[in-house]
Amino acid sequence: GAVVSQHPSWVICKSGTSVKIECRSLDFQATTMFWYRQFPKQSLMLMATSNEGSKATYEQGVEKDKFLINHASLTLSTLTVTSAHPEDSSFYICSARALAEYQETQYFGPGTRLLVL
Amino acid sequence: AQSVTQLDSQVPVFEEAPVELRCNYSSSVSVYLFWYVQYPNQGLQLLLKYLSGSTLVKGINGFEAEFNKSQTSFHLRKPSVHISDTAEYFCAVSESDTDKLIFGTGTRLQVFP
Repeated sequence: GAVVSQHPSWVICKSGTSVKIECRSLDFQATTMFWYRQFPKQSLMLMATSNEGSKATYEQGVEKDKFLINHASLTLSTLTVTSAHPEDSSFYICSARALAEYQETQYFGPGTRLLVL
Repeated sequence: AQSVTQLDSQVPVFEEAPVELRCNYSSSVSVYLFWYVQYPNQGLQLLLKYLSGSTLVKGINGFEAEFNKSQTSFHLRKPSVHISDTAEYFCAVSESDTDKLIFGTGTRLQVFP
């Protein structure tokens, strides 16, 4: 149990375009989903926390207008990188925290690698 | 504020040798502690977690960790490593009343034949 998927796994786009990344909890309902960013050979940095049906909470320094997060259902959250630029190239990882049994634990998706040319 | 320190950025070890990956944390309140493993170009997989109870926690793939409150440590150990254990290992902490995970900088475990 506790499987989280992300789509796409890889995306290459031109500078100025927008990219949407999906995060799904496949076998559980996720009350809370988290979005992280990881630069090469570095740790994960939390970007934002999203709760189903409410606005996301962004970490300090993360532009909410650039990284749009929607958590429309208990199994799906999306991250849209708007007007992407080369400096947005990174590995984006989502995690989900479930009701009940998995309450204290985050389960991670496989990540999405974004390359902006 | 919470923080997590993984003192060793890289740990080289020969196959079948024991290994310990160190993790220290700072927090003023009760915490939950986690170890995750990341294989190349993949997301994070939960190895084990400490929420409460026994301070010795056993996880997947033969790993275990011991919570030491007085030393604020949560070191990860395995008595005999395999080549397949080569990966990046992240220690993480969350305070019991918050949602957020704070990660350490990671330790690259490299197992040699």
